[in-house]
Amino acid sequence: AQTVTQSQPEMSVQEAETVTLSCTYDTSESNYYLFWYKQPPSRQMILVIRQEAYKQQNATENRFSVNFQKAAKSFSLKISDSQLGDTAMYFCAFMKRGGGADGLTFGKGTHLIIQP
Amino acid sequence: EAGVAQSPRYKIIEKRQSVAFWCNPISGHATLYWYQQILGQGPKLLIQFQNNGVVDDSQLPKDRFSAERLKGVDSTLKIQPAKLEDSAVYLCASSPYRYGYTFGSGTRLTVV
Repeated sequence: AQTVTQSQPEMSVQEAETVTLSCTYDTSESNYYLFWYKQPPSRQMILVIRQEAYKQQNATENRFSVNFQKAAKSFSLKISDSQLGDTAMYFCAFMKRGGGADGLTFGKGTHLIIQP
Repeated sequence: EAGVAQSPRYKIIEKRQSVAFWCNPISGHATLYWYQQILGQGPKLLIQFQNNGVVDDSQLPKDRFSAERLKGVDSTLKIQPAKLEDSAVYLCASSPYRYGYTFGSGTRLTVV
């Protein structure tokens, strides 16, 4: 079974600053995906960024980038030029790659607050 | 395209009552998931359907929870009888292929 750990329950930064959210995971799988999801008060989970474990290059999506350290089982999210609309819960998630069950295993989340 | 539709948005029931949640996935999405998100935690997978067959229900409390996906489209999740610890947000998601999840806005259940 996989576990995902987010050690920062809450973070607060000023608008336009850069912030990094931490995530570690534990698995015996060699083939998997890692994700960061954003959950605003509307409750809908929104995909921020995805990383395939077999790819060494870190994924980037506009202001969002990850630092994927496979050996250390670490997967942090960096948000550059933070905006008020980035305020939300952020969840790190793991998905096994391969046939059959592909449900997500989530961490407990980090509440990110962007201050004006 | 239309998103994943869930209803009701909120539900309050007394313990030992029964409740049902409905999910309409994105058209053409073969895979459907139900997740339970307890306050202060990340979502936990309850059940995964591929078309109308169950792929994974290992974390579904089968003594009180049941789910079905008739004709491989809509799905219903039922709790009978409800307990206080079932208070949570129930999220439905669908996917046409691996890792292409789209989540609905969920149903917030309060058991009193």
